[in-house]
Amino acid sequence: KNQVEQSPQSLIILEGKNCTLQCNYTVSPFSNLRWYKQDTGRGPVSLTIMTFSENTKSNGRYTATLDADTKQSSLHITASQLSDSASYICVVSSQAGTALIFGKGTTLSVSS
Amino acid sequence: EAQVTQNPRYLITVTGKKLTVTCSQNMNHEYMSWYRQDPGLGLRQIYYSMNVEVTDKGDVPEGYKVSRKEKRNFPLILESPSPNQTSLYFCASSPLGREEYEQYFGPGTRLTVT
Repeated sequence: KNQVEQSPQSLIILEGKNCTLQCNYTVSPFSNLRWYKQDTGRGPVSLTIMTFSENTKSNGRYTATLDADTKQSSLHITASQLSDSASYICVVSSQAGTALIFGKGTTLSVSS
Repeated sequence: EAQVTQNPRYLITVTGKKLTVTCSQNMNHEYMSWYRQDPGLGLRQIYYSMNVEVTDKGDVPEGYKVSRKEKRNFPLILESPSPNQTSLYFCASSPLGREEYEQYFGPGTRLTVT
């Protein structure tokens, strides 16, 4: 069964610290992996998209990595800010962006 | 401004009363999709459409209908809503043809069925 598992479920860090969120998937065939940021009550916003051949991609303070062999991805947030408080969702596409399988997300809280 | 719009944003209704949630995008995207989001379950795909008159079921299609008569619109229809359809609904769109195209999400519609 196609699944996307994220860990931890929730995380609390101090402002300015770094953190890493994990995503493991069992989706096959694999097309691409996306990380989204979702503020409470709002629609998800794309952070990064990686295809099979890419193993790292950055978007400002966000850096995503992908190991297609072990079917693992991580999202690293550098120098966290209060505005980073949100849910981060890992999404894997099995058919060029049509059938998307969503993880349940990691809720990040950044405190001052 | 490129965007996906949904209406209404909030809706409270009663069991069995047919309703439609509209979704419109102004980016000429081929692909559109509906999701529901529930606490502890994450986002789940209801239906998607790869172009006009082409729709397909996602993970949780039961109790929902969609249509794609125009490229820009993709309404979600609940013929006989039930309380278990109380949820936060998102519409999304994206171009097709390249794997790295991202999906743009609408602002969400919070539906309560009593």
